Amino acid sequence: GAVVSQHPSRVICKSGTSVKIECRSLDFQATTMFWYRQFPKQSLMLMATSNEGSKATYEQGVEKDKFLINHASLTLSTLTVTSAHPEDSSFYICSARGRGRNNEQFFGPGTRLTVL
Amino acid sequence: GQNIDQPTEMTATEGAIVQINCTYQTSGFNGLFWYQQHAGEAPTFLSYNVLDGLEEKGRFSSFLSRSKGYSYLLLKELQMKDSASYLCAVSTGFQKLVFGTGTRLLVSP
Repeated sequence: GAVVSQHPSRVICKSGTSVKIECRSLDFQATTMFWYRQFPKQSLMLMATSNEGSKATYEQGVEKDKFLINHASLTLSTLTVTSAHPEDSSFYICSARGRGRNNEQFFGPGTRLTVL
Repeated sequence: GQNIDQPTEMTATEGAIVQINCTYQTSGFNGLFWYQQHAGEAPTFLSYNVLDGLEEKGRFSSFLSRSKGYSYLLLKELQMKDSASYLCAVSTGFQKLVFGTGTRLLVSP
């Protein structure tokens, strides 16, 4: 149990376009979902935390108008990178936390974004 | 602020034992996680410590000392497939995980 999927796994887009990444918890209800960004050879940096039905909480330095997060249901959260630029190229990973799961977060397989 | 430190890189030989240290200073503590991450993949859960002491799980063990802000991950009988990054992460008081810089482990024959 506790499987989290992400789609797409890999995306290449042109500068100035928007990209949507989906994160789904497949076999449990995710009360909270987290979005991370990871640059090459660096660790995961938390971008935002989203609870179902409420606005996301963004970490300091993360532009909420550029990285739009929607947590519409207990199994789905989306991250939209608006007006993407080459510096947004990164590995985006979501994780999900369910009720009574001892603080553990279950990670999706990640999305590799390349902006040309 | 939040500060979690790990060595950047370590090397070891197949069959050996390696210990990866993690020190932390965070606002809030709800437990410490260790994750393994292969290049280009998402992290996978290895261990969770919330009380002081040693947790053993097969070839992997994790130790925590809350008073010292210190943890280590011990890997025994190293295999080539253990070459990966190992991430120490602290769960703070607001559900969040704060990750360390990660330790890249290279296992050689």
